[in-house]
Amino acid sequence: DAGITQSPRHKVTETGTPVTLRCHQTENHRYMYWYRQDPGHGLRLIHYSYGVKDTDKGEVSDGYSVSRSKTEDFLLTLESATSSQTSVYFCAISRGQGASETQYFGPGTRLLVL
Amino acid sequence: AQKITQTQPGMFVQEKEAVTLDCTYDTSDPSYGLFWYKQPSSGEMIFLIYQGSYDQQNATEGRYSLNFQKARKSANLVISASQLGDSAMYFCAMREVLTGGGNKLTFGTGTQLKVEL
Repeated sequence: DAGITQSPRHKVTETGTPVTLRCHQTENHRYMYWYRQDPGHGLRLIHYSYGVKDTDKGEVSDGYSVSRSKTEDFLLTLESATSSQTSVYFCAISRGQGASETQYFGPGTRLLVL
Repeated sequence: AQKITQTQPGMFVQEKEAVTLDCTYDTSDPSYGLFWYKQPSSGEMIFLIYQGSYDQQNATEGRYSLNFQKARKSANLVISASQLGDSAMYFCAMREVLTGGGNKLTFGTGTQLKVEL
């Protein structure tokens, strides 16, 4: 989606190092999400944000933290990367309201932890 | 807890034919939303179609339609007149409202569709 960018798009890192992934949106959406995608699991929610400095945990939040100091940026940090965090990470925003609210995804970040 | 089941790991269809991708769901919420996303080999997640639990009619978006059978808890995606570009992984997802507002999507494991000449 043209309104959502993720950086970096690919990253290789070593076990034990901290890693920060960035999601940037240009459309002033309130809600932002981080998911991870692994084979056999579809996408699973890591953390989400419902406004600046307002964040909460998803179903697979262990080992991850997030921050949102500006509406447009939502950062995901792996505090000490492990091989189990090798995955594809997707950021998403919500468009619409109520019953028609729909999530749109960024292009994804492929992370390899050696 | 919500659950999405996609029982077809892979499907083949010939070009110009219609294909149905199965999705069943489980939830105790009376209000919910069901979504289908397409993931081509390039990796991006593309929103295709949405069905609300209170919608009386099945959703349609171009060649995509959603066969919603509430009593059977199924939300199958129908792609008409398949094209080579439809070859991709397809995910069914259900929306759950989060405590702070916003929605969480629970995804199925996906169906890999290949369109053949």
